[in-house]
Amino acid sequence: AQSVTQLDSQVPVFEEAPVELRCNYSSSVSVYLFWYVQYPNQGLQLLLKYLSGSTLVESINGFEAEFNKSQTSFHLRKPSVHISDTAEYFCAVRGGTSYGKLTFGQGTILTVHP
Amino acid sequence: GAGVSQSPRYKVTKRGQDVALRCDPISGHVSLYWYRQALGQGPEFLTYFNYEAQQDKSGLPNDRFSAERPEGSISTLTIQRTEQRDSAMYRCASSQRSNEQFFGPGTRLTVL
Repeated sequence: AQSVTQLDSQVPVFEEAPVELRCNYSSSVSVYLFWYVQYPNQGLQLLLKYLSGSTLVESINGFEAEFNKSQTSFHLRKPSVHISDTAEYFCAVRGGTSYGKLTFGQGTILTVHP
Repeated sequence: GAGVSQSPRYKVTKRGQDVALRCDPISGHVSLYWYRQALGQGPEFLTYFNYEAQQDKSGLPNDRFSAERPEGSISTLTIQRTEQRDSAMYRCASSQRSNEQFFGPGTRLTVL
């Protein structure tokens, strides 16, 4: 079984400031890791994923996350946020033996202030 | 192309009534998943299908919940004798095998 903990339920930041959304997981098997984003009144969208290979993965809109196996973490970072990044972010894990099933964290609401 | 669609988008029902929630996956996607998301929480897995076969229903909370996908495309999640604790956002996702899951907009269920 897997579990995911997002350490911050809400993160307020000012525009153009850096941000880090923290995610830790536990699993007895190898995992695949994901970040999903939910903009207001929209469905969940995949932001980025780690399946294998380079531990640093990037999204097209400037977010990045690094898989750290020793610390069982997959924190999401962006060096400079925009107002449009305001959304709820979910970290999720899929175990090697849990075909397709995603286990999500509780979510972090990122609010970017002007 | 069209994404995952769900209907209805909002459903208000009285306690004790049965409800049926529909999911129309992306055309050709083999796998279909149902999740439930309570307010302030992340989505929780309910069940999933490969084609028409229900592969895992371990997340269904009790026997009032059931799901089917008879022709390997559209799926229906049915909740019988609804209770107030069933109020939540019900999300459907589809994927090609074990690749990225694409989520629909969800159905907001409110049980009065």
